[in-house]
Amino acid sequence: KAGVTQTPRYLIKTRGQQVTLSCSPISGHRSVSWYQQTPGQGLQFLFEYFSETQRNKGNFPGRFSGRQFSNSRSEMNVSTLELGDSALYLCASSSTAGDSPLHFGNGTRLTVT
Amino acid sequence: GQQLNQSPQSMFIQEGEDVSMNCTSSSIFNTWLWYKQDPGEGPVLLIALYKAGELTSNGRLTAQFGITRKDSFLNISASIPSDVGIYFCAGQRTGNQFYFGTGTSLTVIP
Repeated sequence: KAGVTQTPRYLIKTRGQQVTLSCSPISGHRSVSWYQQTPGQGLQFLFEYFSETQRNKGNFPGRFSGRQFSNSRSEMNVSTLELGDSALYLCASSSTAGDSPLHFGNGTRLTVT
Repeated sequence: GQQLNQSPQSMFIQEGEDVSMNCTSSSIFNTWLWYKQDPGEGPVLLIALYKAGELTSNGRLTAQFGITRKDSFLNISASIPSDVGIYFCAGQRTGNQFYFGTGTSLTVIP
């Protein structure tokens, strides 16, 4: 069974630009969550989608948005990039929303210059 | 957002030694998870716990769901070089997001 796939693996953007990251969950998983990982802040929750609906949202500004498609694939978008947005963005899928464990992809490393 | 208190922050041990780390929260959780992350990769699930007092093993790894439901523990027996990495705990109240610990960096000296 293929794991969680995130594309691209690496991305370099300039301050002020916008970026879209993609995540394909494990086949059959309907819940997708996004996390931002930085050395100083650890793993911070961005949002969770289940059946195309946002179920939970973390404490991030509105520049961070996401969506989920009918095939459970998900995208997150960051607009008006800031230097502080440089981080590893991790996507995780689970079989149902609730207490099913998260299975992570290898992340997208975003560098904002 | 809430972060769980994970300790120790880092450990340097000799190969063959046992390792213990723990995670505490001010909130009660229904689920505790333990992950290992290698450089440049995403966290990999090691053990999932769903019941207070539950003790679960995965090879040389053993984790426990604390009785108070506010803590969890991970033990690694007879450490080997490939145990090197960062270990994270995660806790969740059903239906809500998972909260992650700050991580324990493990170095195993051959």
